Amino acid sequence: EPEVTQTPSHQVTQMGQEVILRCVPISNHLYFYWYRQILGQKVEFLVSFYNNEISEKSEIFDDQFSVERPDGSNFTLKIRSTKLEDSAMYFCASREDGEQFFGPGTRLTVL
Amino acid sequence: AQSVAQPEDQVNVAEGNPLTVKCTYSVSGNPYLFWYVQYPNRGLQFLLKYITGDNLVKGSYGFEAEFNKSQTSFHLKKPSALVSDSALYFCAVRDAGNNRKLIWGLGTSLAVNP
Repeated sequence: EPEVTQTPSHQVTQMGQEVILRCVPISNHLYFYWYRQILGQKVEFLVSFYNNEISEKSEIFDDQFSVERPDGSNFTLKIRSTKLEDSAMYFCASREDGEQFFGPGTRLTVL
Repeated sequence: AQSVAQPEDQVNVAEGNPLTVKCTYSVSGNPYLFWYVQYPNRGLQFLLKYITGDNLVKGSYGFEAEFNKSQTSFHLKKPSALVSDSALYFCAVRDAGNNRKLIWGLGTSLAVNP
């Protein structure tokens, strides 16, 4: 059964460093999403991506965040200068038309 | 604004007993409702959804959910709980916009005791 994959599973970084979180969506899906879940809090929408451009972004998704689909398979989330409060679990999701399918998440720890 | 509430942080049930995990919603227009489950160190797995049709929706692993429009609820149920059902359960509503982003509840931790 096809699934969404994410790498790395855990990323530890120093405050101010850049990180890139990678996702491989399900191959025939057209819509892509990033969500995050700060420990003990609800899952929050960050950004949606369709037709090679951002279709919607939340107020959390400020200028330090960017997304890219550099080739036909990967979907990346870049955080340019990480802050302590960026520590969270980041989930990628994709869908064709129906429900969203989620990856296992990347746990980002900013020290 | 659309929102989802899960009033219980934790639910404890004995194995073999029925379980209910509660969810209420607030939407403008028709609700599109989802339940996802998160096992430790795993991603969010889709359980079931309500879009339209029968109010009782059946999903994966023997779970079902009942849509109640008058009470704006979408409670998750299972007739006989298993220890392996112990996990974090999230209710979500699909945003009315074209991007269909999901708006999430806080989650309910289900513990099934042997």
